[in-house]
Amino acid sequence: SQTIHQWPATLVQPVGSPLSLECTVEGTSNPNLYWYRQAAGRGLQLLFYSVGIGQISSEVPQNLSASRPQDRQFILSSKKLLLSDSGFYLCAWIPLGQGRSEAFFGQGTRLTVV
Amino acid sequence: SQQGEEDPQALSIQEGENATMNCSYKTSINNLQWYRQNSGRGLVHLILIRSNEREKHSGRLRVTLDTSKKSSSLLITASRAADTASYFCATDGGYSSASKIIFGSGTRLSIRP
Repeated sequence: SQTIHQWPATLVQPVGSPLSLECTVEGTSNPNLYWYRQAAGRGLQLLFYSVGIGQISSEVPQNLSASRPQDRQFILSSKKLLLSDSGFYLCAWIPLGQGRSEAFFGQGTRLTVV
Repeated sequence: SQQGEEDPQALSIQEGENATMNCSYKTSINNLQWYRQNSGRGLVHLILIRSNEREKHSGRLRVTLDTSKKSSSLLITASRAADTASYFCATDGGYSSASKIIFGSGTRLSIRP
């Protein structure tokens, strides 16, 4: 069966420190991968998505970057965190080639920048 | 910017009543989906409706889609306390950006016992 792993669950980082959040998917190949950020009590903001290895589409952030070094691995990074980077980060994947379009989400990482 | 906007932002109803949430979007789509999120957790897929469909049912859920008005509604019948959660609609970018999945701002649903 397919599963998605996202870690860590919580993270407290000082302003100016680097960030690396990792997401991996098991049990499928060539999925679409997504990073979203959710502010408290708000909707999901699409940050990045990827349709293949090395293919990254950036939607919004100036301070964040994403990479897909392997087919089922998606990494969200920052060189220097800002206070405004605090939020709930969610990774998701969509299976391709199966006629399905629903997204499957990880459990999220709650990031607090102090 | 967000593609979908839900209405209302918050909804509180008595257990057993029906809950209706609405979603509007801006561009053409291939399909529209509804998701549920319990507090502090990831989202769970509820139902998908394709652009050539007008209505779809799944258990106590009923979704409608009006592509001419670029709107959708989610009806939860005979609500239960366990339905308390936030509900989001999500759309793709249509033919030009089918892989781009955008979520709305969500409706927070509270079911009073």
